[in-house]
Amino acid sequence: AQSVAQPEDQVNVAEGNPLTVKCTYSVSGNPYLFWYVQYPNRGLQFLLKYITGDNLVKGSYGFEAEFNKSQTSFHLKKPSALVSDSALYFCAVRDRAGGYQKVTFGIGTKLQVIP
Amino acid sequence: SQTIHQWPATLVQPVGSPLSLECTVEGTSNPNLYWYRQAAGRGLQLLFYSVGIGQISSEVPQNLSASRPQDRQFILSSKKLLLSDSGFYLCAWTGEGGSWQYFGPGTRLTVT
Repeated sequence: AQSVAQPEDQVNVAEGNPLTVKCTYSVSGNPYLFWYVQYPNRGLQFLLKYITGDNLVKGSYGFEAEFNKSQTSFHLKKPSALVSDSALYFCAVRDRAGGYQKVTFGIGTKLQVIP
Repeated sequence: SQTIHQWPATLVQPVGSPLSLECTVEGTSNPNLYWYRQAAGRGLQLLFYSVGIGQISSEVPQNLSASRPQDRQFILSSKKLLLSDSGFYLCAWTGEGGSWQYFGPGTRLTVT
């Protein structure tokens, strides 16, 4: 079975500071990894994905994530946080051998950027 | 470009009443379609997915059902709502060969 852990319920960061939202995963095979963002009362928006290749993945709105196979992690990062980045962030994983339906989401991490 | 619609946006229904939520996708064909429920504003629970017309797979036993009468239409239904059915319902799709999901705006269901 595949799983995703987002160990922090909430992350607080001052505007302009770097931010990190943590994610670790477990799959039996090679993973597809995703980050999504959700604003209040809205659907999830895709931010970035890791499929293969370079371990540092760049996505929308200046976000990036680093795939670390040995630590089974896929932490989301941004060099300089904006107040508008405040939202709920979801990490998700899919086993490459699995079907499209077999995506597992983490429980989400609330990011609060303080002005 | 592809667009996904959900309606209604919000719904308040009494316990025991029926439910019908609709999701439609534009700008693509033969999408994989998904229904998720998000309770308490956090984790997503996959309820149903569909890889084609009339093909529905259920992930969890419950009093909800899903149907796909047309290629780009996905309906979530219930004959009798329970209080525990309250939540934020999200529809999503992936294209053939696509790896990530596109989500609709969601429907906020409150069962009273």
